[in-house]
Amino acid sequence: QLVLTQSPSASASLGASVKLTCTLSSGPSSYAIAWHQQQPEKGPRYLMKVNSDGSHSKGDGIPDRFSGSSSGAERYLTISSLQSEDEADYYCQTWGTGGVFGGGTKLTVL
Amino acid sequence: EVQLLESGGGLVQPGGSLRLSCAASGFIFSSYPMSWVRQAPGQGLEWVSGFSSSGGNTNYADSVKGRFTISRDNSKNTLYLQMNSLRAEDTAVYYCTKGLDYYDYVGAFDIWGRGTLVTVSS
Repeated sequence: QLVLTQSPSASASLGASVKLTCTLSSGPSSYAIAWHQQQPEKGPRYLMKVNSDGSHSKGDGIPDRFSGSSSGAERYLTISSLQSEDEADYYCQTWGTGGVFGGGTKLTVL
Repeated sequence: EVQLLESGGGLVQPGGSLRLSCAASGFIFSSYPMSWVRQAPGQGLEWVSGFSSSGGNTNYADSVKGRFTISRDNSKNTLYLQMNSLRAEDTAVYYCTKGLDYYDYVGAFDIWGRGTLVTVSS
């Protein structure tokens, strides 16, 4: 059974960079994942798909400040030049015959 | 513009039924897997059910198996979720999502609808 693990919270200063982690805690480490952003009181938005080799493909209109990478069973989302609107919940997601979400990371921009 | 628009949510009593619809536009609906995802108040995202594009494969989360039925009408570009025997814990915003790659059962959810609220309460 696929399980994704995320830290519940993270924080970083305005203009700085932050790296969020999603760990494939169960199942093969070769799975791709997707990152989604959910700003307060809004629906989720697709950011990108991150493959096990670290390649990633972003959704339409996603700024270059957002990037993805991989190492082993970990998948990362890096946000550089943090802006106030980046304060949001970030979810990772993977899939097999069904979908699986991580618990989400609440990012606070200080 | 690629768009998903959900409808059909509302207030229903425990044990009742509801049918959600998702109207798709801006892409070849029949070519992509589609899913329903829900979010209970103050909680995270939970995948509910998916319908593959080819082969007509469907799958469900254990929490809804036997009570919910997903279907799609490719001629109408519409995805449905029939929800029976509703419980208080089914209260959530239900989102319709599109899978990124045609070959996946479920895939990365690259398009999200705005969601429709389902409240199960007496």
